[in-house]
Amino acid sequence: DTAVSQTPKYLVTQMGNDKSIKCEQNLGHDTMYWYKQDSKKFLKIMFSYNNKELIINETVPNRFSPKSPDKAHLNLHINSLELGDSAVYFCASSQLWGAGGYTFGSGTRLTVV
Amino acid sequence: DQQVKQNSPSLSVQEGRISILNCDYTNSMFDYFLWYKKYPAEGPTFLISISSIKDKNEDGRFTVFLNKSAKHLSLHIVPSQPGDSAVYFCAASGAGNQGGKLIFGQGTELSVKP
Repeated sequence: DTAVSQTPKYLVTQMGNDKSIKCEQNLGHDTMYWYKQDSKKFLKIMFSYNNKELIINETVPNRFSPKSPDKAHLNLHINSLELGDSAVYFCASSQLWGAGGYTFGSGTRLTVV
Repeated sequence: DQQVKQNSPSLSVQEGRISILNCDYTNSMFDYFLWYKKYPAEGPTFLISISSIKDKNEDGRFTVFLNKSAKHLSLHIVPSQPGDSAVYFCAASGAGNQGGKLIFGQGTELSVKP
């Protein structure tokens, strides 16, 4: 029974399209995150939600919009995809705000062509 | 500005020997440090952590050492096993409302040879 699940696992799309990545956690955690792993392998935080409230919004283009319908779900919608958006996107959750020990999903590899 | 750095992209050790993975940080406000392990096509999994008030934390074969004056931490794996072959990420978090945010290094790929 997967704790943090992301769909799809792979996504290939053309420039200019709009796409969404879904994330669900069944751990009862209060906080969820989106991280991006770029071509240099750095994992960088994009957004954080605590109990459906946006807490962290890093300097991410506003083409990226997270949506949290409830505390078990955090989806990522991307408008007008660009080549530079190609990366692996990881969803994660944690039990307590301020605590370490994230549980990550397996990632979504986005390729923009 | 990369606040957490892992300067060795790769490390190769023999099975049974010690693996030492290193991590440096620049922000003295970090108060919690973590190590994650990642296999290909999977998400990172939490391995071990240490609070800034400690200088050592041990969990089985894994020990993390923290040297605050040098802003350096290391992960020791003894003895190393082939199943330990993976990418290891160091991460740090700060106090207060930045506490939920983990800042990661770029990872070190460990290869343990039989």
